Formats: sequence, structure tokens, C-alpha cells
Amino acid sequence: QKEVEQNSGPLSVPEGAIASLNCTYSDRVSQSFFWYRQYSGKSPELIMSIYSNGDKEDGRFTAQLNKASQYVSLLIRDSQPSDSATYLCAVPYNFNKFYFGSGTKLNVKP
Amino acid sequence: GAGVSQSPSNKVTEKGKDVELRCDPISGHTALYWYRQRLGQGLEFLIYFQGNSAPDKSGLPSDRFSAERTGESVSTLTIQRTQQEDSAVYLCASSLLAGGSLVGETQYFGPGTRLLVL
Repeated sequence: QKEVEQNSGPLSVPEGAIASLNCTYSDRVSQSFFWYRQYSGKSPELIMSIYSNGDKEDGRFTAQLNKASQYVSLLIRDSQPSDSATYLCAVPYNFNKFYFGSGTKLNVKP
Repeated sequence: GAGVSQSPSNKVTEKGKDVELRCDPISGHTALYWYRQRLGQGLEFLIYFQGNSAPDKSGLPSDRFSAERTGESVSTLTIQRTQQEDSAVYLCASSLLAGGSLVGETQYFGPGTRLLVL
């Protein structure tokens, strides 16, 4: 069983729609969760982090965490073509060893 | 510069040769990570350094891989007797504090070194 799992996609949404990206993790004691965006040929960059159950909003992005279900998601409202990228979910285990999901590729169609 | 830098940006080598990859973290960042990313894949954890503590080497795929870090500065990742399956992008990241704290865990990534083993 992979430590962090994501649907590889591609996920295609029309411009202006809501994109929903999902991630499940296996370690029940994990306390922090991260979403990174990676454009093709570039390095990952942090989009959001979340530590508590519930929702955390930052502009057009909302992270949702459900520790009981070991599930974290990222919603992108009013999707733009510039949001087209691969989104990586990252979860630290044992406080320092980060596991990344394989990423979900998002295509936002104009 | 203000960000994480890595060198070389690209490296082409022949099978069996040794390669050394370098990472300069953001000044003041105590934690440093190395990852490997194969084409179309996610990031694979290789090794973690935190201050002067013993590094977490649990992600190194074989004894051909080794890494060093001097204090809280430069790190080098060495791959001995390279194999074709070592071809990948090697990413370095640094963060202000170790994972497990509620602040400062954001990892800042360098541009990566693209390694091609022929």
C-alpha cells in the first residue's frame, strides 16, 4: 500500500469551473499535509498546507482535511488555464520523511 | 541568491561513472532534503538532513548513493557506478524547521539536476 495516493488524472475542467483534487494517506498519526503545484519541467511550489480538520481557504484555493478518513483534498475555484499543472500531495511521516503522491495532472480548458 | 540552487542543471554521463550533485540551501534553513523524480512520477524521498543530527538515509535506493552536508550549508549527493535506471531529476529542498512542528515546514525546492545515464 502506497503511503500517499492520488488519482493520476488527467482531470479536465472548463475555465471557471471548480477543480477537485483528492489524496489519501496511510499514516494515522500524520499531523500536517501539503499541496504542491508543479508545472511541466519545473520544480514543485507550495500551494497550501493544512493541519486541522476542516477547511482552510486561501484565495481561490481551499484545502479540506478529514483525519478520521485519512483524506485531504484541494479545491480550486474559478479555474484558470494557468492552473494547468500537476498537483502533488505531501505528507510527512516520522516528522521528517516526506512522502509525495504521484500527482494529479489538471488541465483547465479555455 | 535567495532561493535553493543546484548544480549542475543537466548532467549526461556514461554507465558506470560516478556523479556528484550539489545543493545550496536557503541561508538559515536547517533542514535539507534530496528527492528523485523519474519522468511522469512523483517525488521519491532519498535523504534528510537536520542541523547536526544524523541524517535519515532510509530512502537511499542502494549503497551506490550517498550524501553529505557540512553543517547547515551545502550538500552533495554522490551516485557511484551510475546505472541507466538512475536517470531522473534530482531535486533538493530546504526548510526552516524539521517536520512535526506547526510552522516553518514549507519546503522550498531548487530547480533540480537532470541526470541522464547513457
